[in-house]
Amino acid sequence: KNEVEQSPQNLTAQEGEFITINCSYSVGISALHWLQQHPGGGIVSLFMLSSGKKKHGRLIATINIQEKHSSLHITASHPRDSAVYICAVRFIIQGAQKLVFGQGTRLTINP
Amino acid sequence: AAGVIQSPRHLIKEKRETATLKCYPIPRHDTVYWYQQGPGQDPQFLISFYEKMQSDKGSIPDRFSAQQFSDYHSELNMSSLELGDSALYFCASSLEGRGQETQYFGPGTRLLVL
Repeated sequence: KNEVEQSPQNLTAQEGEFITINCSYSVGISALHWLQQHPGGGIVSLFMLSSGKKKHGRLIATINIQEKHSSLHITASHPRDSAVYICAVRFIIQGAQKLVFGQGTRLTINP
Repeated sequence: AAGVIQSPRHLIKEKRETATLKCYPIPRHDTVYWYQQGPGQDPQFLISFYEKMQSDKGSIPDRFSAQQFSDYHSELNMSSLELGDSALYFCASSLEGRGQETQYFGPGTRLLVL
């Protein structure tokens, strides 16, 4: 079982729809990142969470530490939101920090 | 605002050659991370440095080495290149010393080994 699992792996929606991408992890973490990767390859850090909820524009990220689960929501989705969204968890093992990436969710928003 | 700078953006090498990738973190950031993303794969953590000292080591091959210099820029040295080293190499920086763990990613260096 992967330490970080995302769902769905692929998501296609119409412009304006509310989007939810889920991330589950199996170990205790110190932080969780949501990243956005566009077709050209560039990665943008969207959020870093250790508890609660964060909001930036149309993006909202939540995390439930007890349930080891995080969600990324996009309101009023737009074709420019089309990208791969990656969840990455940061945890400490044997005194060293590790950052483990999920497999990504490919989001396509059609006009 | 200044972002993470990586150079070169693209690099083509032949097998068994060496390559050096450079990363310039956001000014005042003290921590640098290196990641490798193969075609169609998830990024893999390679190595990180905090205040010029190696802070963590991931799946970095023994053929690779890295260091962080006094001006906080970092270099990833890759020797005896193999075809499988062809990938996108990302560098990220953060301000760990202030507890600001958000990592800011550079645009990546695309390495092609022929």
